[in-house]
Formats: sequence, structure tokens, C-alpha cells
Amino acid sequence: DAGVIQSPRHEVTEMGQEVTLRCKPISGHDYLFWYRQTMMRGLELLIYFNNNVPIDDSGMPEDRFSAKMPNASFSTLKIQPSEPRDSAVYFCASSGGSYNSPLHFGNGTRLTVT
Amino acid sequence: DQQVKQNSPSLSVQEGRISILNCDYTNSMFDYFLWYKKYPAEGPTFLISISSIKDKNEDGRFTVFLNKSAKHLSLHIVPSQPGDSAVYFCAAPPFGSSNTGKLIFGQGTTLQVKP
Repeated sequence: DAGVIQSPRHEVTEMGQEVTLRCKPISGHDYLFWYRQTMMRGLELLIYFNNNVPIDDSGMPEDRFSAKMPNASFSTLKIQPSEPRDSAVYFCASSGGSYNSPLHFGNGTRLTVT
Repeated sequence: DQQVKQNSPSLSVQEGRISILNCDYTNSMFDYFLWYKKYPAEGPTFLISISSIKDKNEDGRFTVFLNKSAKHLSLHIVPSQPGDSAVYFCAAPPFGSSNTGKLIFGQGTTLQVKP
């Protein structure tokens, strides 16, 4: 199993530009999560999907952030327009359907907004 | 209030000795806890978990202890190995959550195991 695959690994962009982060979950996993890690706030959940449907987006910081899951094998997190305070490591994770299925994380996308 | 706290940012131990990483939580209704390990430039990986109906769970060199009255859990690594050097996160699903992927994470403790 290839695990959760995220792209790109690094993204450097200028303030105001659109950024799209991509994620391929583990095949067969019903849940997909987007987390963000910053020095100030640590690891925090942004949004999660169940069977491609967004379930909880209460962690999305503002309307500049949007996430989609058009099919079971692909999800995107988009920031438009990006701001320097969006600089962070963004992790995608997936899990199976049972309550105590652990999260499997990708290796993250390090975003730098200048 | 639903928080998970790791008050020690770092810990250094000698190879072969015991490592003890601590975690406190604020909500007595939390019923499941997990530990994740993270190496640089990688995502966190699941290590071990414990349900609130237990006070101990063991998996090889790793044991998690839960003290519900103190709202405290700890991860013991015995014996510690240099490959255990990583950041360790304590986490819990918020009360009322329907799955354990929606997690509240502690700030992490960086463990260094010296050869």
C-alpha cells in the first residue's frame, strides 16, 4: 500500500495567489481529513469528509479556504487568495470506517506564502 | 473546554533507559486517547491507543497508562532506542465525536534518545 499521497511536498507562493493542495487517500478508506500544523496552534483539524461528503468544516479558518472531494481517491484544499499567515504544513489523512480506526497521515505539504 | 496538553516540550534519555512522556486533558468526558509519533518531514504515525475503560495498554516496548481521576495519561517506552527519537503527540477525539479521526492534539514532546 502506497499510503496517503500528498502533492506538492513544498509550495512557495506570493501573497494573493491561489494555492491548491492535493491528496490521494488510502484505497478503501471512507474518511479523509485535512489538518494544519503551525508553531502557534499545533496540529488542528480543518475539515473532514465521509464517503466524499464534507461532514465537519468548523476548523476551516475563513472563506478563503475551500476543500473538495470529487471522488473516493482524490481531494483538494484550496486557498484563494493566500496570505502569509497561511504558511504552515498541511497534512491529509485517511481512515477506515470503524470508530477506533487510526488516522494514516500523508507526509504533508509545506506551504510558504511570501 | 476540550484540550489536550503536553507540558514538556522536550525530553532527553539515554539508550536503554525508560522514556516517560506525559499528557493531561481537561474534559473528563474524553473516552479514547491516542499517541502518534512524528519524524521530521513525515506525517504523524499511529503508535498506541487506550480506551477510558482501561487503565493500561501495552504493545511491545510501548505502554500507555491512563489515570482518569487525574485526567492524565503517560506513554512509557522501555527500553528506549535511538530510533525512538521523534516528536510524540497525545490526542483525543472531542466529546461527542462519532469517529476517532477528528482529533484534538497536544503540542507534542520531542524525545531524544542518546546512544
